[in-house]
Amino acid sequence: GDSVTQMEGPVTLSEEAFLTINCTYTATGYPSLFWYVQYPGEGLQLLLKATKADDKGSNKGFEATYRKETTSFHLEKGSVQVSDSAVYFCALSNNAGNMLTFGGGTRLMVKP
Amino acid sequence: DAGVTQSPTHLIKTRGQQVTLRCSPKSGHDTVSWYQQALGQGPQFIFQYYEEEERQRGNFPDRFSGHQFPNYSSELNVNALLLGDSALYLCASSLGQLNTEAFFGQGTRLTVV
Repeated sequence: GDSVTQMEGPVTLSEEAFLTINCTYTATGYPSLFWYVQYPGEGLQLLLKATKADDKGSNKGFEATYRKETTSFHLEKGSVQVSDSAVYFCALSNNAGNMLTFGGGTRLMVKP
Repeated sequence: DAGVTQSPTHLIKTRGQQVTLRCSPKSGHDTVSWYQQALGQGPQFIFQYYEEEERQRGNFPDRFSGHQFPNYSSELNVNALLLGDSALYLCASSLGQLNTEAFFGQGTRLTVV
């Protein structure tokens, strides 16, 4: 079945540092890929998405590129802020519907 | 524009009891999906409702059931609660079954004691 693997956290960075959170997937067909963010005590918010190979999703300074050859969708940001502290989830949706398969999440902590 | 709303926000139940959680989708959305998020883990898909019918189901036992009403709102019912059912239950809505843009509510935190 479909699965998503993320790097384990927590990831602790200083403000303005470069962020990479690795995500790889296993899926049949051609899934859409997503990054969701969850702030403390809240539900999930869609951060960015990509629907086909080589697409780059971007939002709020975050970006991720759909790499079919390496089955990866790594999240990057050039300069993190304290307000980026949250849990980040990589997810996929196959073409049979919009059921989402999530990774285990990566907690990001940004220190001033 | 109201987003996805869930009620209640928190709930404590005793093992063996039954619970009903409620979800109102984002305005204009007709598809509702439910997810279970155990502490420290990613959400797991429970099922999806569209046109008042269950369309997809994840790997959850029959103790988990649901319903969708004509106004697209939805309920999640869990019978014979187990301690392991303690989790954050998330509702997500979208427009159409194949639309990949899902919007999530803030969730219901269920604690089974």
